[in-house]
Amino acid sequence: SQQGEEDPQALSIQEGENATMNCSYKTSINNLQWYRQNSGRGLVHLILIRSNEREKHSGRLRVTLDTSKKSSSLLITASRAADTASYFCATDTNTGNQFYFGTGTSLTVIP
Amino acid sequence: DTGVSQDPRHKITKRGQNVTFRCDPISEHNRLYWYRQTLGQGPEFLTYFQNEAQLEKSRLLSDRFSAERPKGSFSTLEIQRTEQGDSAMYLCASSLGGTKDSNQPQHFGDGTRLSIL
Repeated sequence: SQQGEEDPQALSIQEGENATMNCSYKTSINNLQWYRQNSGRGLVHLILIRSNEREKHSGRLRVTLDTSKKSSSLLITASRAADTASYFCATDTNTGNQFYFGTGTSLTVIP
Repeated sequence: DTGVSQDPRHKITKRGQNVTFRCDPISEHNRLYWYRQTLGQGPEFLTYFQNEAQLEKSRLLSDRFSAERPKGSFSTLEIQRTEQGDSAMYLCASSLGGTKDSNQPQHFGDGTRLSIL
């Protein structure tokens, strides 16, 4: 089974609102990554947070990581219609050579 | 565009046929991954190469699946005696880094969509 699980499965918001999605995982990690996928396309890397980091920012993105709770959140501020996509978290294994993706959060931003 | 490219983009074949997909990673990337993604799910790890060496294989990769990366450049994924359950998007990704080094983003291709009739 996949290690990461995103919540909610689907999210619909108005343009300009903030979107928050959560990821939970099961075992210890070296780092956690968030990716975005538009329909029919490959995944695009958004942000990486290491296990010894608690928060990271990149433009309109803010990621938090709580290793004690084995969870992470992705916040997209001031959403745009172009943010409509599926968002996945990915965690690595202790070898650092395998990655587990969750089932994703489908975000719809209504113009 | 010097991103990851995959060929073909779509493949339709009859059950029982063999298929082969190709992935050309970003040229300086030494790590290469194959994933399978079905509708509504996240990518599932299949296998990982460090240069030409195949270092990790998922239990999902049955005996009908084989992957190669000759000379540590492009990679191929072959599925023999295809079954309807093999219908999925097959994604390739590449990244920099040494062994046990997962602190680099993966760059994905747009995948090969396989449909088994």
